[in-house]
Amino acid sequence: GQQLNQSPQSMFIQEGEDVSMNCTSSSIFNTWLWYKQDPGEGPVLLIALYKAGELTSNGRLTAQFGITRKDSFLNISASIPSDVGIYFCAGQEGAQKLVFGQGTRLTINP
Amino acid sequence: GAVVSQHPSRVICKSGTSVKIECRSLDFQATTMFWYRQFPKQSLMLMATSNEGSKATYEQGVEKDKFLINHASLTLSTLTVTSAHPEDSSFYICSAAISGELFFGEGSRLTVL
Repeated sequence: GQQLNQSPQSMFIQEGEDVSMNCTSSSIFNTWLWYKQDPGEGPVLLIALYKAGELTSNGRLTAQFGITRKDSFLNISASIPSDVGIYFCAGQEGAQKLVFGQGTRLTINP
Repeated sequence: GAVVSQHPSRVICKSGTSVKIECRSLDFQATTMFWYRQFPKQSLMLMATSNEGSKATYEQGVEKDKFLINHASLTLSTLTVTSAHPEDSSFYICSAAISGELFFGEGSRLTVL
């Protein structure tokens, strides 16, 4: 099946720093999604991208849908302690089926 | 508030027993729900697509006789792990779509002793 390559796998940053993570795919997706998962919880949608080249912001979060439709990135500006968690990219196939990246574990030092 | 709810959130069982996990859509009808499995520090892997009133569609490598899925109503899908073994211990998460957006349940952590 399809796989998404998400990097980096983990990040250790200082509070206030900006964060950038990305996903690449060997095939095209029509929709890219970014989720955050806290320990012991299900993923929560952060940003959804529907058009190639689309750049979307949600507060301190910004994500872009790559022109080739095979990649996407997520940026978090001015990180705060509550940003800690695991971030997953996901490409959406037909009928709402999602393929997830491996996740980026974000740790923030106060 | 939550739109998809799972129960139980945690379950511990003995090897050989069967465990049922429920996934409910709250205040909306879901003809399709999805079941994912997540091992520690790993990504979510789609196990099966649950279809109301018909058989579930399983992903390659997922044993349908091991993981029984029933979607008997428009608001409830159940996943039953039959004859559970320690290697079945995992975090099971369901999702359902409303207005084109997928929402995930809180997850159910299964520990098989």
